Amino acid sequence: GQSLEQPSEVTAVEGAIVQINCTYQTSGFYGLSWYQQHDGGAPTFLSYNALDGLEETGRFSSFLSRSDSYGYLLLQELQMKDSASYFCAVRKQKSYGGSQGNLIFGKGTKLSVKP
Amino acid sequence: DTEVTQTPKHLVMGMTNKKSLKCEQHMGHRAMYWYKQKAKKPPELMFVYSYEKLSINESVPSRFSPECPNSSLLNLHLHALQPEDSALYLCASSQEEEVGTHRRYEQYFGPGTRLTVT
Repeated sequence: GQSLEQPSEVTAVEGAIVQINCTYQTSGFYGLSWYQQHDGGAPTFLSYNALDGLEETGRFSSFLSRSDSYGYLLLQELQMKDSASYFCAVRKQKSYGGSQGNLIFGKGTKLSVKP
Repeated sequence: DTEVTQTPKHLVMGMTNKKSLKCEQHMGHRAMYWYKQKAKKPPELMFVYSYEKLSINESVPSRFSPECPNSSLLNLHLHALQPEDSALYLCASSQEEEVGTHRRYEQYFGPGTRLTVT
């Protein structure tokens, strides 16, 4: 089978740092993605790690260790607008052209940022 | 234009109705997707189109019928749905590119169609 595990809920205060972990077990792996989804909205892309290491984009960083089947999303300087659900997703395959890849999503982590 | 559009935003249909959901993107992406998302659950992949050909069908019931008329459009035809099919239906397209020394793979999601089957 395949599974992605991430915490169901996380609470933090404005200005703090939060790390959301994701462990995965899938048949086929080409990369780990993170998406943010506000209530009533569509998922929006945050990051993609195809190789081991840390990727940084502004206040958000994502890490991948393929040998440990583990990754995390780090959110710094939390703001109220960061309150949302965060999904890790494994890219299971890619087409010859590279643009296709089916994503298998984790169950999501609901982040609540308090004043 | 980095947008995926979907129509309609909301749809209420009876179990005997036939309706269609529409999705459009003009980013030149050659892979497009349909997902189903129930409340407080992750998106579940339904179909993948690559270069206008169906490449993945995740064992979706035949009452859902996808169609890709051209590289910019994706439809989902609905017929004889059940109340448990009520959900948010998301369309997405994807691209992969080298950004500096890193590889970036991103799926762009539309706002979704919120479907209620009565």
